Amino acid sequence: GAGVSQTPSNKVTEKGKYVELRCDPISGHTALYWYRQSLGQGPEFLIYFQGTGAADDSGLPNDRFFAVRPEGSVSTLKIQRTERGDSAVYLCASSLNGGHSGNTIYFGEGSWLTVV
Amino acid sequence: GIQVEQSPPDLILQEGANSTLRCNFSDSVNNLQWFHQNPWGQLINLFYIPSGTKQNGRLSATTVATERYSLLYISSSQTTDSGVYFCAVELSGGSNYKLTFGKGTLLTVNP
Repeated sequence: GAGVSQTPSNKVTEKGKYVELRCDPISGHTALYWYRQSLGQGPEFLIYFQGTGAADDSGLPNDRFFAVRPEGSVSTLKIQRTERGDSAVYLCASSLNGGHSGNTIYFGEGSWLTVV
Repeated sequence: GIQVEQSPPDLILQEGANSTLRCNFSDSVNNLQWFHQNPWGQLINLFYIPSGTKQNGRLSATTVATERYSLLYISSSQTTDSGVYFCAVELSGGSNYKLTFGKGTLLTVNP
C-alpha cells in the first residue's frame, strides 16, 4: 500500500476484554515496529520485528501484551484482560530494512484504544 | 536510560514568524530524528540528523553531537506547521532500531 495502514482507527472496549490491533506495513518493508503513545507524551517503544521474528520485545509492558507477524508482513498486537491504563494510541511503523540509522521510518495514523 | 528533553513545551506563533525548537539528550547517540505529528496523529519523519546540518525548504536542523543537542528551525511559519514536533534518539552502542522520544513541542501557528 501507499502507507502504513492500521485498523481499527478507534476502539472502545470494556475493562477485562481482549483486543487485537492490526498493522499493514508498506509493501516490501522487512522491519516493523510498535510504539505506544499516552496523552501528552512521546511514543514509547514496544516491539520490533525483522521479518517474521520478534527481534526485540523488551518494551512490552507485561505478559498481557503479545504481537505476531506470521508471514513477515501484517502484524497484530494483542492485549488480553485490558485495563484502563492501557488506554493510549498504538502506533505502528515500518522501514525498508532493519535499523533506523539512515532508514526512513514511516508511521501509521495509529489505533486509538480506550478502555472503560 | 537516555533522557531526551525538548523545549519549549508549547509555542504560539503568528503566521510568517520564525522559530527554533531545541532537543537536549543525556548520552552519546548514533541516530537523531525529528518528527512532526499533525493534528490527526500522523507522525512524519522530517530529518535524520545524527550530526551536522540539513535543510528542507523552510525547515532546517542542526545537531551538535559533542554537546548533545539538536535544533530545528522553522522559517516563515504557516498554519499547516501546527502540531507536535518530536525529537527521537538511539543510544550509541545500543540497538539501532529503538527510538527514545522526547515529550515534544506543541506548536500552534495562528493566521
